[in-house]
Amino acid sequence: AQSVTQLDSQVPVFEEAPVELRCNYSSSVSVYLFWYVQYPNQGLQLLLKYLSGSTLVKGINGFEAEFNKSQTSFHLRKPSVHISDTAEYFCAVSDGSNDYKLSFGAGTTVTVRA
Amino acid sequence: NAGVMQNPRHLVRRRGQEARLRCSPMKGHSHVYWYRQLPEEGLKFMVYLQKENIIDESGMPKERFSAEFPKEGPSILRIQQVVRGDSAAYFCASSPRGRRSGYTFGSGTRLTVV
Repeated sequence: AQSVTQLDSQVPVFEEAPVELRCNYSSSVSVYLFWYVQYPNQGLQLLLKYLSGSTLVKGINGFEAEFNKSQTSFHLRKPSVHISDTAEYFCAVSDGSNDYKLSFGAGTTVTVRA
Repeated sequence: NAGVMQNPRHLVRRRGQEARLRCSPMKGHSHVYWYRQLPEEGLKFMVYLQKENIIDESGMPKERFSAEFPKEGPSILRIQQVVRGDSAAYFCASSPRGRRSGYTFGSGTRLTVV
């Protein structure tokens, strides 16, 4: 089974500043990678996903992530955050043989301040 | 289009009672997945179902937990004789036939055992 490490549990950031959330996973022959966002008391919304192809993936709300196979990483970035980006962000991984079974990281709480 | 619908949103049960959590997948989706989120943790896979079939229940506790997805009606996650440790948020997701990754989650049911 995959394991996922989100290196930062809390990330405070000022409005309009850039943010990067780090995610590393255990190695595998082939992986699918995802970032989800969870707003307070809500479900998880898919931000973006990497299945194959270009290693730079663009998602919703101005987020992007880069798949780095050699470093087994999938870091999420946004060049300029808004107050509304305050939420918890989860990195998730599945492998090619059981593509439906997601392994989640513990989450990173992003707090955007004015 | 309605998303994945889960009810109830909040459920309080006394120790020893039964909890029944319902999940209606998105229209046209025939695959359902259940995940559990314990406090301060990421989501953990529980079970993957298709209509009238359990495909993978490797994440389900061996006792007291069961899941079904009947031909008609919602998917049900049933927890018998609940204990305090069952308190968690339970999320359901769905996907259409032929695609099992990057699926959509519902808003979850928050179970509190008192």
